[in-house]
Amino acid sequence: EVQLLESGGGLVKPGGSLRLCCAASGFTFSSYTMHWVRQAPGKGLEWVSSISAGGNYIYYGDSVKGRFTISRDNAKNSLCLQMNTLRAEDTAVYFCSRVDDYADSAFDSWGQGTLVTVSS
Amino acid sequence: IQMTQSPSTLSASVGDRVTITCRASQSITWLAWYQQKPGKAPKLLIYKASTLESGVPLRFSGTGSGTDFTLTISSLQPDDFATYYCQQYNTYPWTFGQGTKVEIK
Repeated sequence: EVQLLESGGGLVKPGGSLRLCCAASGFTFSSYTMHWVRQAPGKGLEWVSSISAGGNYIYYGDSVKGRFTISRDNAKNSLCLQMNTLRAEDTAVYFCSRVDDYADSAFDSWGQGTLVTVSS
Repeated sequence: IQMTQSPSTLSASVGDRVTITCRASQSITWLAWYQQKPGKAPKLLIYKASTLESGVPLRFSGTGSGTDFTLTISSLQPDDFATYYCQQYNTYPWTFGQGTKVEIK
């Protein structure tokens, strides 16, 4: 069974930092591009960042570029998101998700999400 | 690429045929539809515009190409009251529509 389990969320002050991670199991982690998607309270979904299976290709949304860094450790089946210079508008539930690049598919599995609250 | 869904809210009854539209600001090939219930992660319904994800009921279908796409629920069931999102994965940054909430009439 595919499982994605996010951790690291919490309350942080504006300008602060937080590191989210996602533990993957039940599939060959090193074969999938991994993504972070977020959802502000009561709002829609926003794609945040992605990292290719081997870690060579990384993309960020404009709203987080230069502040967030995505990384992965295929040996540990782990995906992380380092979030710096946090703003109130970064408050959201952060989901990790996977995409099978060879199956034409989209986000076929999601974690349960971890809440990040940026507030003084 | 901007994704625009309509309507934003839809009131319907069990058994109704429901149609949600999604328009992309430029031509795309890779489009997905998701269902999300409160407090839960989204669930993939349709990918590549019209391919039904494994395990998704046959009452869900997706059509369209280029810039105009449609999600249809042929006969709305109680479990289908939720919010639906389209998403393009044609070009980074990947983008979602604003969502369509399907409510009980």
